[in-house]
Amino acid sequence: DARVTQTPRHKVTEMGQEVTMRCQPILGHNTVFWYRQTMMQGLELLAYFRNRAPLDDSGMPKDRFSAEMPDATLATLKIQPSEPRDSAVYFCASGLQLEGGYEQYFGPGTRLTVT
Amino acid sequence: RKEVEQDPGPFNVPEGATVAFNCTYSNSASQSFFWYRQDCRKEPKLLMSVYSSGNEDGRFTAQLNRASQYISLLIRDSKLSDSATYLCVVKGTGRRALTFGSGTRLQVQP
Repeated sequence: DARVTQTPRHKVTEMGQEVTMRCQPILGHNTVFWYRQTMMQGLELLAYFRNRAPLDDSGMPKDRFSAEMPDATLATLKIQPSEPRDSAVYFCASGLQLEGGYEQYFGPGTRLTVT
Repeated sequence: RKEVEQDPGPFNVPEGATVAFNCTYSNSASQSFFWYRQDCRKEPKLLMSVYSSGNEDGRFTAQLNRASQYISLLIRDSKLSDSATYLCVVKGTGRRALTFGSGTRLQVQP
């Protein structure tokens, strides 16, 4: 049963520290998404990649966030420096591009708390 | 106006009831539509795609109304295990991938 994996599952850090979240997409999926979910904002798309190339990162604060896909089995989301307002659940999803859309499969998320 | 709008609920229904949710979208050129289900403190999971001709999967039926720009999800014979938040997802145009609605919470009661 193929699944998207994310590490760490939970992270508590102090303001100003660097945070790196990792995602292993489902083998064979050509698209990887990063989302952030909070009670106030719901699920927001931060960035997505197709065939490892970034396609849209307009939802991501560029000054502190960066997303990369160094190879087909690893996607990373980095926050530097972190701030309390970054506290949220960060989901990675992978999927296949279909005609007109994607079917996405989400990882379990990284629950980030910045104090 | 938000790109994708949903009634947050909660919809409280008894077991066995039929319940329906709508989701409206603002971009008339939107190309494809999905329903996801999210349990409390879990990740969203794909429930079903929504095709122009409608889509049925067991107790679940999804429909698209392009003229009025909404999609719907109908759940028949509700089970306690259907209690969750149902997220509407719309694929717009251009490079923007997908937009999620804020979700509709369903609580099925014994």
